This record gives sequence, C-alpha cells and structure tokens, in this order.
Amino acid sequence: DAGVTQSPTHLIKTRGQHVTLRCSPISGHKSVSWYQQVLGQGPQFIFQYYEKEERGRGNFPDRFSARQFPNYSSELNVNALLLGDSALYLCASSPGTRTSNTGELFFGEGSRLTVL
Amino acid sequence: ILNVEQSPQSLHVQEGDSTNFTCSFPSSNFYALHWYRWETAKSPEALFVMTLNGDEKKKGRISATLNTKEGYSYLYIKGSQPEDSATYLCAFNSGYSTLTFGKGTMLLVSP
Repeated sequence: DAGVTQSPTHLIKTRGQHVTLRCSPISGHKSVSWYQQVLGQGPQFIFQYYEKEERGRGNFPDRFSARQFPNYSSELNVNALLLGDSALYLCASSPGTRTSNTGELFFGEGSRLTVL
Repeated sequence: ILNVEQSPQSLHVQEGDSTNFTCSFPSSNFYALHWYRWETAKSPEALFVMTLNGDEKKKGRISATLNTKEGYSYLYIKGSQPEDSATYLCAFNSGYSTLTFGKGTMLLVSP
C-alpha cells in the first residue's frame, strides 16, 4: 500500500514568490496535517484538515493557507515567501481528527523548500 | 505554549552500547506521548504511542516508559546497532488536532 506521498520533493524559490506543496494521504485516511521543520528544531504544526474543513491552525501568518480536496488530498500554499520559510514541510495523514485511537500520524518524506 | 524538551541533543555511541534518551512534557492535559524514529531522507516512523501512566512498551531492542504525573518518558535502546542511527523525536498529544514535538535526539552508532 502506498504511504503518504508529497510533491515536489525539492524546490527553490526566490523571496516574494508563491509556492504550492501537495500531499496525498494514505488510502482511507480522512485527515491531513501539515508541519514545518526548520533545521535544528522539531516539526511545528501548521494546519490540520478533516473532511475538507480546517480543524486546527498553528501559529503561522496568513501567508500560509491550505485546503483539502474531496479525495482527501491536500495543498499547502505559502505567499510572499521569506528567507525564513526555508524548511522541510511534512504532511501527515490519520484516519480521523482526534489523531485516531492510537494517536499515530503517518508522515510523508517531506518537501524541501529553499527560499533565496 | 506547550514545551516539550528532549535530552541529550545528540549522542554518539559504539555498536553494542546501550543508551537512553529523555523526553519531558507538560503533566496537565495529557492524552498521549508519541515516539518517532526519523532516518535521514526518510519519513518519520512511529515507534510507540503511550497513553497510560506507568506504560512500558517494547519493540525489539527498543523500549519506552511513561510517567504522566511527573511529565517524562524514557526511550531505551539495548545493544545499539549502526542501523539505529537516526533522530528520535517525542511528541506530546493533548487530544486535539496537533502534536507538539521536541527538537529530537540525534543518535549516531559507530561500528
């Protein structure tokens, strides 16, 4: 079975540009979460979506937005990129909102964004 | 703001050594404590999800304990092997939609 897939794996942008990152969850999982991991830090929560609705938002500016599609895939959008947005963006899926009975999130390998 | 601390930040051991890491977390609003293993260029992989005070979990040579009253968890690796080299992350789950991660412990096991 396919795990969580993310695209692109790597990308380079310049300041002020916009980026869209994509995520396909594990089949049957209805919840998708996005995390940002900056070098030397643990992953930091950005968004969670369940059944196409936003169920949680971390402490990130409005330049960050996301959405979930009817097939449960998701996009993370970042506008007006800053140098500090350079990071690994991780997508995770789970069966439901309350991180399931086991509490386990299933992660993709991430999209590495470099902002120059 | 939730604070999840992990120590040590990094660890370098020889093959065959046993090692342990610490994760400290808030003792209030506890729902679960997660341990993940993250190898370079791969996705974080769940090791354990621990929910009850006094929980002990084991997977092969890796085990973990949980103390929710004092807010800490230990991860133990017995007889470390080079393939155990990875970053070990713990994450606090207060039962809502998010995990709060520590910075991780980077383990390097030399042959």
